[in-house]
Amino acid sequence: GQNIDQPTEMTATEGAIVQINCTYQTSGFNGLFWYQQHAGEAPTFLSYNVLDGLEEKGRFSSFLSRSKGYSYLLLKELQMKDSASYLCAVRDDDKIIFGKGTRLHILP
Amino acid sequence: DTEVTQTPKHLVMGMTNKKSLKCEQHMGHRAMYWYKQKAKKPPELMFVYSYEKLSINESVPSRFSPECPNSSLLNLHLHALQPEDSALYLCASSQLQGRHYEQYFGPGTRLTVT
Repeated sequence: GQNIDQPTEMTATEGAIVQINCTYQTSGFNGLFWYQQHAGEAPTFLSYNVLDGLEEKGRFSSFLSRSKGYSYLLLKELQMKDSASYLCAVRDDDKIIFGKGTRLHILP
Repeated sequence: DTEVTQTPKHLVMGMTNKKSLKCEQHMGHRAMYWYKQKAKKPPELMFVYSYEKLSINESVPSRFSPECPNSSLLNLHLHALQPEDSALYLCASSQLQGRHYEQYFGPGTRLTVT
């Protein structure tokens, strides 16, 4: 079966750091995506991890542990525009399966 | 260029109408996807085309009919839809090989079935 878990909602303060976790149990695994989605808009690609470890891209970093079925997205120096849903998605051959998303609220 | 385009942006159709959604990319991606997304839910995979061949159909009703005329274009033909089919329809594309596997979404078509 396929199961991807992430917290439903999180709140953080402008300028701070937040970590959004994702755990997965899937029949196959070829990589893990993180997307950002603002309300009413399409998802925007943030990162793709296929090997264990941390990938850094500006204020955003993504970590993967394949043995633990675990990933996190780290957002630094939070800005108000980072208020959005963050979607974790697992690639299983040609399929890409999404978690339910984490709605991140940023407080001034 | 990392752009996926979709037309139309909005579509209102009756249950007896036939319409088509169109998607285009020029990134040389050989995988193209249709997703359906309802409000406050994640995207739900409908179809995947790999090298212009349908590789995944996630048990989608036959009133949705995908077509991939060439490696840059993807269509979704709609016929006899139900009101519950109203949603945002997203097209995406990606490479099929390599480590830097990035999937890009188009802006979507917001479909309302009346």
